[in-house]
Amino acid sequence: DAKTTQPPSMDCAEGRAANLPCNHSTISGNEYVYWYRQIHSQGPQYIIHGLKNNETNEMASLIITEDRKSSTLILPHATLRDTAVYYCIVRVLYSSASKIIFGSGTRLSIRP
Amino acid sequence: DAGVTQSPTHLIKTRGQQVTLRCSPKSGHDTVSWYQQALGQGPQFIFQYYEEEERQRGNFPDRFSGHQFPNYSSELNVNALLLGDSALYLCASTYIARSSYEQYFGPGTRLTVT
Repeated sequence: DAKTTQPPSMDCAEGRAANLPCNHSTISGNEYVYWYRQIHSQGPQYIIHGLKNNETNEMASLIITEDRKSSTLILPHATLRDTAVYYCIVRVLYSSASKIIFGSGTRLSIRP
Repeated sequence: DAGVTQSPTHLIKTRGQQVTLRCSPKSGHDTVSWYQQALGQGPQFIFQYYEEEERQRGNFPDRFSGHQFPNYSSELNVNALLLGDSALYLCASTYIARSSYEQYFGPGTRLTVT
């Protein structure tokens, strides 16, 4: 079973920051938080991952709470192309053989 | 650099038939995983292949089998198709020695069982 909980849907105005929450209260000490997204009819796309510090890349920022029981993915300036299902996942990093367990994700809609 | 490729794009089969789906990993990757995604749900892990062997398996019946070839490409076979096997089948690849956190997914094969 998925070890994360996400709201089923959210919407955001174009140009604004989209903040997607995720709860992972049973996360283990060696598990990282990953985010993927899936644009309609395409394969999932990796976005970002982190352990306990905040992370930023060209796509997004990841904020992880100090107790690591929840996190937020931030898309700083959402565009229509960011409309997708966003999956929050926890898994061990140094085990590339580990399977990805997807939940139901959050369907993000960006409105013009 | 080609990413993960899958064939065919779409497929229609009849109940009871058998199907083979194909996947070519991203250049430099040696590990292939397969996922099944039913409509409206997240992808579900089927199995993973490395060094031509099945390394991990999800909760799928033996009707689902696979193979990995020396060039790292992979096949997913499903026997005795059921209506419930209708789904998007995704292939993902990674390079196991580098412990890559990025699994690259292909566009998927849409299987419809009638």
